[in-house]
Amino acid sequence: DAKTTQPDSMESTEGETVHLPCSHATISGNEYIYWYRQVPLQGPEYVTHGLQQNTTNSMAFLAIASDRKSSTLILPHVSLRDAAVYHCILRVNTEGADRLTFGKGTQLIIQP
Amino acid sequence: EAGVTQSPRYAVLQEGQAVSFWCDPISGHDTLYWYQQPRDQGPQLLVYFRDEAVIDNSQLPSDRFSAVRPKGTNSTLKIQSAKQGDTATYLCASSFGLFYEQYFGPGTRLTVL
Repeated sequence: DAKTTQPDSMESTEGETVHLPCSHATISGNEYIYWYRQVPLQGPEYVTHGLQQNTTNSMAFLAIASDRKSSTLILPHVSLRDAAVYHCILRVNTEGADRLTFGKGTQLIIQP
Repeated sequence: EAGVTQSPRYAVLQEGQAVSFWCDPISGHDTLYWYQQPRDQGPQLLVYFRDEAVIDNSQLPSDRFSAVRPKGTNSTLKIQSAKQGDTATYLCASSFGLFYEQYFGPGTRLTVL
């Protein structure tokens, strides 16, 4: 019962800026939007998260729609090391209910 | 700073055998999570602890699965009488507290023949 929808895969070229979309039409007011990425034979790696405002860090920019029903993870100037499965996850902030529910995510393929 | 460590990295069993996975979280992290990740799927939460207390184990598949964290540091996940359907990667994660970022270990890849 994944609450987010992402494309199965996307492809880009080194040096380009990648926009990874995520739809979460039934998001609740207390749910945060988290992004993790995972490469083979490793556990997921935290990328970023947000509630309502756009956020930025050294890895990515997270753009959240004003109605919060969708978001986009923006990866500037990607390299081959950015090739991974990117998971968009909703995380509820309720005592006793801290759970990251992963879907299949988006496989990002980077061409040299 | 050392990350989350797990052992073993790989395990191969026959059906009916038991297996234990061990996790050492990041120092100072009081919250520890165990996830199961079948091939080509996202991780699914099994159980999580705050210190030594189980906060939620409702997603453990059956009585064959158990997890402990007796001193609030390291943790062990055990599968009694493994089945082929248990074939997956078992991931451990830790965080500074509830709702903080979770840091994952490399996982243990289990194959049940």
